[in-house]
Amino acid sequence: GAVVSQHPSRVICKSGTSVKIECRSLDFQATTMFWYRQFPKQSLMLMATSNEGSKATYEQGVEKDKFLINHASLTLSTLTVASAHPEDSSFYICSARDSGRLGETQYFGPGTRLLVL
Amino acid sequence: AQKITQTQPGMFVQEKEAVTLDCTYDTSDPSYGLFWYKQPSSGEMIFLIYQGSYDQQNATEGRYSLNFQKARKSANLVISASQLGDSAMYFCAMREGETGGFKTIFGAGTRLFVKA
Repeated sequence: GAVVSQHPSRVICKSGTSVKIECRSLDFQATTMFWYRQFPKQSLMLMATSNEGSKATYEQGVEKDKFLINHASLTLSTLTVASAHPEDSSFYICSARDSGRLGETQYFGPGTRLLVL
Repeated sequence: AQKITQTQPGMFVQEKEAVTLDCTYDTSDPSYGLFWYKQPSSGEMIFLIYQGSYDQQNATEGRYSLNFQKARKSANLVISASQLGDSAMYFCAMREGETGGFKTIFGAGTRLFVKA
């Protein structure tokens, strides 16, 4: 099956620093990737849709200046949490849609746990 | 408006018995897909089963089956012969078609506990 990787898997940083999370589709091209965040014991909340070669589409209530998304190639999307604060601590999960298949499922990355001290 | 509803925050089932996890959805898009994912404590999202809105038959994948009732807008997951390893969080999700931007949204989840 298709594989999506995320890096890093876990990050701890000080408040005020920026954190970049990478999402890669390893064996397929993904014109569209999605970024989710999940707080403990809660569901996945869609943050934004990342489109290759164009600006990301953010969900209502998500600060685009806070969560910077770059989808520079068909296999890579990055999420940068700018000036992270403790309330940004969460589990961030990306998923990628295989643009070469119809009626397909999304493939999820293993997630990145962010802890901001 | 809530598009995916899972009304069971937690469920208990005896090992080897069957269990049904409920899911209802709401969409005006004629083309959509319904998914169930399992999330163990490690956090990874494990795809279980998929049902397309135009599929005539209910989807089945091994011990998982999806009871798709389109008129009622429900897509319940049935797990047969429960195993201890089935204990996890289960999410129902819906992906709308092009008009919905192919976004997948998730329900609140149901935590399943399998008892020995």
